[in-house]
Amino acid sequence: SQTIHQWPATLVQPVGSPLSLECTVEGTSNPNLYWYRQAAGRGLQLLFYSVGIGQISSEVPQNLSASRPQDRQFILSSKKLLLSDSGFYLCAWSMDSYNSPLHFGNGTRLTVT
Amino acid sequence: AQKVTQAQTEISVVEKEDVTLDCVYETRDTTYYLFWYKQPPSGELVFLIRRNSFDEQNEISGRYSWNFQKSTSSFNFTITASQVVDSAVYFCALSGGVNFGNEKLTFGTGTRLTIIP
Repeated sequence: SQTIHQWPATLVQPVGSPLSLECTVEGTSNPNLYWYRQAAGRGLQLLFYSVGIGQISSEVPQNLSASRPQDRQFILSSKKLLLSDSGFYLCAWSMDSYNSPLHFGNGTRLTVT
Repeated sequence: AQKVTQAQTEISVVEKEDVTLDCVYETRDTTYYLFWYKQPPSGELVFLIRRNSFDEQNEISGRYSWNFQKSTSSFNFTITASQVVDSAVYFCALSGGVNFGNEKLTFGTGTRLTIIP
């Protein structure tokens, strides 16, 4: 069966510090991968998605970036965090097909202080 | 532009009561998919159901049922005989058109459901 791992679960970082969140998927190949952010009391905002290694599409311009160095690995990064980057970050995968369901990781709660 | 409205921000019901979560959507596409996801306190979203725009049959899965009505652009979710484990935030989502995948998925803002024991 497929599983998705996301870490760390919680993170407190000072403004201006770098960020690296990692997500890996097991049990499937060539998944579509996604990074979402959920601000308090709001819905989900798609940040990045990837349909293959090295292929990253950004939905929202910001100081975050994403990379996919391996087929089942998706990394969310920042060189310098802003206060506004605080939130709940969710990684997700789906089969490489039209509108197949998303499968989410447990999320990372990021607090920028 | 696509839009999903979940007007109920928070709902509280006593255990064993039935509860309906509303979802109203807007789209110009003739072919689309609708989804419901559950986000328990642990944080991860769990997929519950996907329906396509050509299938208006209601669906029942245990205590869960979904009522899809194209005439009113609604895809409501009912939990029968609610249980404490049903406490979660529930999200309704709408897909993009036939030429798009999940990158065009539009989520509602969610409804926080609390089941009171």
